[in-house]
Amino acid sequence: DQQVKQNSPSLSVQEGRISILNCDYTNSMFDYFLWYKKYPAEGPTFLISISSIKDKNEDGRFTVFLNKSAKHLSLHIVPSQPGDSAVYFCAASPPGTYKYIFGTGTRLKVLA
Amino acid sequence: DTGVSQDPRHKITKRGQNVTFRCDPISEHNRLYWYRQTLGQGPEFLTYFQNEAQLEKSRLLSDRFSAERPKGSFSTLEIQRTEQGDSAMYLCASSFWTGGTDTQYFGPGTRLTVL
Repeated sequence: DQQVKQNSPSLSVQEGRISILNCDYTNSMFDYFLWYKKYPAEGPTFLISISSIKDKNEDGRFTVFLNKSAKHLSLHIVPSQPGDSAVYFCAASPPGTYKYIFGTGTRLKVLA
Repeated sequence: DTGVSQDPRHKITKRGQNVTFRCDPISEHNRLYWYRQTLGQGPEFLTYFQNEAQLEKSRLLSDRFSAERPKGSFSTLEIQRTEQGDSAMYLCASSFWTGGTDTQYFGPGTRLTVL
């Protein structure tokens, strides 16, 4: 069973517009969430994280929102740039362990 | 650059052969993780070390797999008697844990193809 779900396998956005990537999780005990970006033939690159005690965290063009009641998080990229084209993974960390559980990824394509 | 490095980047082997991968974490990171990623999936946790101690192993890690981190620095992952189902990207990550949450930084991965 998939504890972390990214239901949109792909997303296309025009350059300069907002990209919104979504992630749902099933375990209300998860206490730490992260987003990674992955280019082909490279490992995942850490983007941004959020603790379950917060509902928003911002870093430059990237903002992560956490809705604990809906068990949903989203990553907003504003403005989107062609270099943002990559596969984005959300990950969650169960309490008491430091392994991450990843979603299946969303491929973002930013069109120039 | 002092990021996580992995060697080799690619490995092609025949079924039944043994393979070993190496991971060098970011200097002074005390935790090291191994994940496996197959096509269309996110990385799946295999095991992790705090210093030289292996603290958790996934059920995915069959007894053909063994990982070591003998001096608390680099780590090796060995797969014995490889099977075609072992074909995947093997990712290593490291973190500096001082209590609470820590962020894992990934290496470029080793892509294994078992023929």
